Amino acid sequence: NAGVTQTPKFQVLKTGQSMTLQCAQDMNHNSMYWYRQDPGMGLRLIYYSASEGTTDKGEVPNGYNVSRLNKREFSLRLESAAPSQTSVYFCASSEARDLQFFGPGTRLTVL
Amino acid sequence: AQSVTQPDIHITVSEGASLELRCNYSYGATPYLFWYVQSPGQGLQLLLKYFSGDTLVQGIKGFEAEFKRSQSSFNLRKPSVHWSDAAEYFCAVGAPNYGGSQGNLIFGKGTKLSVKP
Repeated sequence: NAGVTQTPKFQVLKTGQSMTLQCAQDMNHNSMYWYRQDPGMGLRLIYYSASEGTTDKGEVPNGYNVSRLNKREFSLRLESAAPSQTSVYFCASSEARDLQFFGPGTRLTVL
Repeated sequence: AQSVTQPDIHITVSEGASLELRCNYSYGATPYLFWYVQSPGQGLQLLLKYFSGDTLVQGIKGFEAEFKRSQSSFNLRKPSVHWSDAAEYFCAVGAPNYGGSQGNLIFGKGTKLSVKP
């Protein structure tokens, strides 16, 4: 039982490049989330998926897209990376309103 | 709109001393409240949560928090701090659509705790 896993752990991109952050959970949770964490800003919700087949915008969705591939996997895509997207990205999952389990994070730097 | 305020950006306490981390929230109804801890380079771990009932909530690692509706506060406490408690602590409240199938949280900006030997 690995919980929530994220790949990659670290990534460096050049401005304009694209990439996909992967997230998977093995707890059979319905809901999954993507947050970004910036110094002094706490965590801010980018997108979430309440259940397989549905996705919704969070607080800071601009510049991102998501795919809920199946119940286990929820990916975050940056189509054209910008320096403002330099951040640590956390995936999380939960069953309804129950506590959220967080992945270890992906540290992304955009040059 | 809902918001969470953690007034203290950085707190330093001596090992063995007591700790209180402040959290104030803005919410129109009964809030769902959480405290998380993040060790350097790690993800977030849930310490405790309040949904309803007893306003004093016990969590893991010897932490507790008290919900005070009159003060819109949910402060985190620990009677005796250990060096391993050095970390960043985040208070969070359930977002407006929280409940049912929605588990979105609004986080405070965090309080970094340093522990002096």
